[in-house]
Amino acid sequence: NAGVTQTPKFRVLKTGQSMTLLCAQDMNHEYMYWYRQDPGMGLRLIHYSVGEGTTAKGEVPDGYNVSRLKKQNFLLGLESAAPSQTSVYFCASSYSSGTRGNEQFFGPGTRLTVL
Amino acid sequence: SQQGEEDPQALSIQEGENATMNCSYKTSINNLQWYRQNSGRGLVHLILIRSNEREKHSGRLRVTLDTSKKSSSLLITASRAADTASYFCATDALLSSGDKLTFGTGTRLAVRP
Repeated sequence: NAGVTQTPKFRVLKTGQSMTLLCAQDMNHEYMYWYRQDPGMGLRLIHYSVGEGTTAKGEVPDGYNVSRLKKQNFLLGLESAAPSQTSVYFCASSYSSGTRGNEQFFGPGTRLTVL
Repeated sequence: SQQGEEDPQALSIQEGENATMNCSYKTSINNLQWYRQNSGRGLVHLILIRSNEREKHSGRLRVTLDTSKKSSSLLITASRAADTASYFCATDALLSSGDKLTFGTGTRLAVRP
């Protein structure tokens, strides 16, 4: 099992450019999450999904969109990147607490710099 | 908003010593989880303690939970250089949808050989 994978690992964008970050999991988890991690601020939830075809806003959703067309994939899009979106992005997945424990499994992260 | 706040922010100890870090949170919870993050890597789940549990052990890890004080502690016994990492507590708030976790800002642990 590969667990949770993220592509790309690094990316540099210019202000106004767009990009999509891809997260894939092979554990048949129902729930998937996107976080950003900034120095001294821990992880903040951007968007999440409780199942295929569903998405919901987290704590810091502005400037991001997401889609979950397949259960195993969760895409994070930046339509018009801004320097404030420079961060490390982590994807995570979990079973629902209704089925098993809701510990989250994390990907290795994507380091994004917006110039 | 940050639900969990870890204390201390940074901790430096000698190999073989015990390391204790604390987490305080604000609202009622279903469970509290601890994660480890090595530099430049993703988070790894360490242990989960439910709101009706007071103490839990896993190997060299011991976690306590005091729901009346809304606080938890993580004890790492007989630390090793490989324990050098950042440690985060995360809370699964009661009545929260989607099993969302709210992470604290973390404790950076350095274990000197």
